Amino acid sequence: KAGVTQTPRYLIKTRGQQVTLSCSPISGHRSVSWYQQTPGQGLQFLFEYFSETQRNKGNFPGRFSGRQFSNSRSEMNVSTLELGDSALYLCASSSLRPGGIDEQYFGPGTRLTVT
Amino acid sequence: GDSVTQMEGPVTLSEEAFLTINCTYTATGYPSLFWYVQYPGEGLQLLLKATKADDKGSNKGFEATYRKETTSFHLEKGSVQVSDSAVYFCALISRAGNMLTFGGGTRLMVKP
Repeated sequence: KAGVTQTPRYLIKTRGQQVTLSCSPISGHRSVSWYQQTPGQGLQFLFEYFSETQRNKGNFPGRFSGRQFSNSRSEMNVSTLELGDSALYLCASSSLRPGGIDEQYFGPGTRLTVT
Repeated sequence: GDSVTQMEGPVTLSEEAFLTINCTYTATGYPSLFWYVQYPGEGLQLLLKATKADDKGSNKGFEATYRKETTSFHLEKGSVQVSDSAVYFCALISRAGNMLTFGGGTRLMVKP
């Protein structure tokens, strides 16, 4: 099976702009989660989508949003970019079998630089 | 809330040395525990997992045992290689939701 893919791999944006990142999960996985990784804050959970519905949300401002499509692909959007949004954004997918806690598989990430 | 604490690095070892990276957690209920590894410029790779007390996860020579009494999940390897140089993250998922809580990461450097 192909792994989790993320596009683009690298982005450079200017403060105030907005950005959209894309994630395609492993085939058959219906849960997609997003994480932000920075040197200062480490790995932090952004949100999780399952069957096109946001099920969990981390402690991030409303400028961070996401969605999931019927084919389980997911996008996240960051509006009004700030310098502090520079980070590696990681997407993870899991199969979420009923009654179980399944491991999450990560993509290579999108490196966002805000100037 | 849930939290994971792991030893700060970097940890520098010679090839074939024994590795231990300590990890302790705080969580409601009985979380599932994971170790992930991140190589430079890459995403996270699942290294091993354990879903209940006394479970031992193992993969590629790495092992970790879920110790409920000490709320710990220490990572060990008997003989490290240069190729094991990476950042290792301990993480948990609690019953509260399908979201990973990570420790701060431990950088391992193995010298030939």
